[in-house]
Amino acid sequence: AQSVTQLDSHVSVSEGTPVLLRCNYSSSYSPSLFWYVQHPNKGLQLLLKYTSAATLVKGINGFEAEFKKSETSFHLTKPSAHMSDAAEYFCVVSDLGGYQKVTFGTGTKLQVIP
Amino acid sequence: EAQVTQNPRYLITVTGKKLTVTCSQNMNHEYMSWYRQDPGLGLRQIYYSMNVEVTDKGDVPEGYKVSRKEKRNFPLILESPSPNQTSLYFCASSLKDGSYEQYFGPGTRLTVT
Repeated sequence: AQSVTQLDSHVSVSEGTPVLLRCNYSSSYSPSLFWYVQHPNKGLQLLLKYTSAATLVKGINGFEAEFKKSETSFHLTKPSAHMSDAAEYFCVVSDLGGYQKVTFGTGTKLQVIP
Repeated sequence: EAQVTQNPRYLITVTGKKLTVTCSQNMNHEYMSWYRQDPGLGLRQIYYSMNVEVTDKGDVPEGYKVSRKEKRNFPLILESPSPNQTSLYFCASSLKDGSYEQYFGPGTRLTVT
């Protein structure tokens, strides 16, 4: 079975401080892991993807995530938050049946305080 | 421009009146998928298709149908909509399967009264 747990439904940070959005996954095989972002009233955009080539994955807009197999985690980080980072973030896993099914986490809303 | 299009963008309908939401992609992608987004639940996969004439259930398929007669199109059919199908629906496509980046349509906001 595959599943994703996003540990925080809401995260609030001050502008210029680090961001940490936590994601744990469950996978029976070799998972593909993603982070997507959804700005208010907008569609979804890929932030980054774990491809098994490197455990530390760099994405767009200064975000990165580290794949830790022993902890089954794929946390998203950014050194310094910008106001434009305020959005909802989704952790996503695919592995079942040859990567046919895709499972989203329930999302984390990031608030950035000026 | 590479894109996934959905129509209509907004739809208000009544219980039991059959409706179809169209989805089309111009990237020659093999994999297409439908999701519904509800507050606090994230996106949940309804159906997916690995290629023409190959479709399968996602996590929440009850009350929905799909077809994939052409590679570019993947319509979502609600034969007898009910109020619990009021939601925001997204179509997505990727090059081959769920291990590739998905490209999302703009969404269809459906209200069933």
